[in-house]
Amino acid sequence: DIQMTQSPSSLSASVGDRVTITCRASQTINTYLNWYQQKPGEAPNLLIYTAFSLQSGVPSRFSGSGSGTDFTLTISSLRPEDFATYYCQQSYTLPFTFGPGTKVAIK
Amino acid sequence: EVQLVESGGGLVQPGGSLRLSCAASGFTFSNYWMQWVRQAPGRGLVWVSRIISDGSSTNYADSVRGRFTISRDNAKNTLYLQMNGLGAEDTAVYYCVRGESTFDFWGQGTLVTVSS
Repeated sequence: DIQMTQSPSSLSASVGDRVTITCRASQTINTYLNWYQQKPGEAPNLLIYTAFSLQSGVPSRFSGSGSGTDFTLTISSLRPEDFATYYCQQSYTLPFTFGPGTKVAIK
Repeated sequence: EVQLVESGGGLVQPGGSLRLSCAASGFTFSNYWMQWVRQAPGRGLVWVSRIISDGSSTNYADSVRGRFTISRDNAKNTLYLQMNGLGAEDTAVYYCVRGESTFDFWGQGTLVTVSS
């Protein structure tokens, strides 16, 4: 199975900050990498697919980059509604696997 | 509007069975692969199973293979997950998800608790 890791596991940031979350795969997955946001008590929501494509309806302050084994999710200017947990997921091969999540909290 | 509504969760004893359902609306259900993803309380997301659009092919995580069965009824726009031999490790919120490998729409989830 492909193992996904994320760093940091949590971070504190202020509204307006630029936030970067890293995801690493245990083997190359080309650009088969997706990012999800999950707020407490809610289902996850797709933000970015195939590493850098913005899902319809997702604000442009979210962006993704990377290929191979190393990927990044960037929030250019943090908004109050962005405080949540973020997960990466590889869609390269079964079993699909997720990173452990990065919790973005208010400083 | 795409909607996925899960039902069938609840409390079940170890070794018991449960069948989850997911009613889909707002899109042509028969055109899409569907999946189940679960999340144990306070934990991360774990892929469980997927089924091709016409139901002819299925895949399972090793942890559930042989115990869980995914199926669908395209005439009823409904996805199912039959869960047998449940153990404490299966306690989780189960999400119905649309997509072949990228999960673009999620239901609100249904909680399965395995406990005596």
